[in-house]
Amino acid sequence: GAGVSQSPSNKVTEKGKDVELRCDPISGHTALYWYRQSLGQGLEFLIYFQGNSAPDKSGLPSDRFSAERTGGSVSTLTIQRTQQEDSAVYLCASSLRGRQGYGYTFGSGTRLTVV
Amino acid sequence: AQKVTQAQTEISVVEKEDVTLDCVYETRDTTYYLFWYKQPPSGELVFLIRRNSFDEQNEISGRYSWNFQKSTSSFNFTITASQVVDSAVYFCALMAQGGSEKLVFGKGTKLTVNP
Repeated sequence: GAGVSQSPSNKVTEKGKDVELRCDPISGHTALYWYRQSLGQGLEFLIYFQGNSAPDKSGLPSDRFSAERTGGSVSTLTIQRTQQEDSAVYLCASSLRGRQGYGYTFGSGTRLTVV
Repeated sequence: AQKVTQAQTEISVVEKEDVTLDCVYETRDTTYYLFWYKQPPSGELVFLIRRNSFDEQNEISGRYSWNFQKSTSSFNFTITASQVVDSAVYFCALMAQGGSEKLVFGKGTKLTVNP
């Protein structure tokens, strides 16, 4: 597609439920990133996929968070047993060449509210 | 470890004033990249500029200019003759060549340009 697409744009869920957030990167982009932006905070790195390499999961805040990228394209971020502190905007970005310091293209984000 | 500091949390100016957004970074890598992103009220992050660590030339793009000084580890962003449409949160970010290709963001500076 022309840009990075994320769905849903908004999600309200009850505490304790599982949620799945989807990211469809720009076609041909080999690098994909998930970030979290809490209210009034900067962007917190969560996970990074680059081609067929093992993902960098160093930013995932707990084992309730997981992500996968199928076929080198679409990625799904899953949060199990959601907590109120998980409420944030989850941003996905993709890049043509992760190693060369090229800028990312970000999606519009999924605003997650846990009630 | 990499770190980006944007000391100015919020700035408010009147239209047509010049404004400088500060960014100070920390890294032990000799090769790295610096970025500025704009996040308007719509929420989507917009890429503004990428600069590598070997290029200290200042850059000007229309009303925007960037001052990169390795001696002070700073990458400041100036908007000349600000406009209401410049109102947004601006993020400075760092990507180090060594290690994971993730962007480390500052906490952002919220700029409000009043008419």
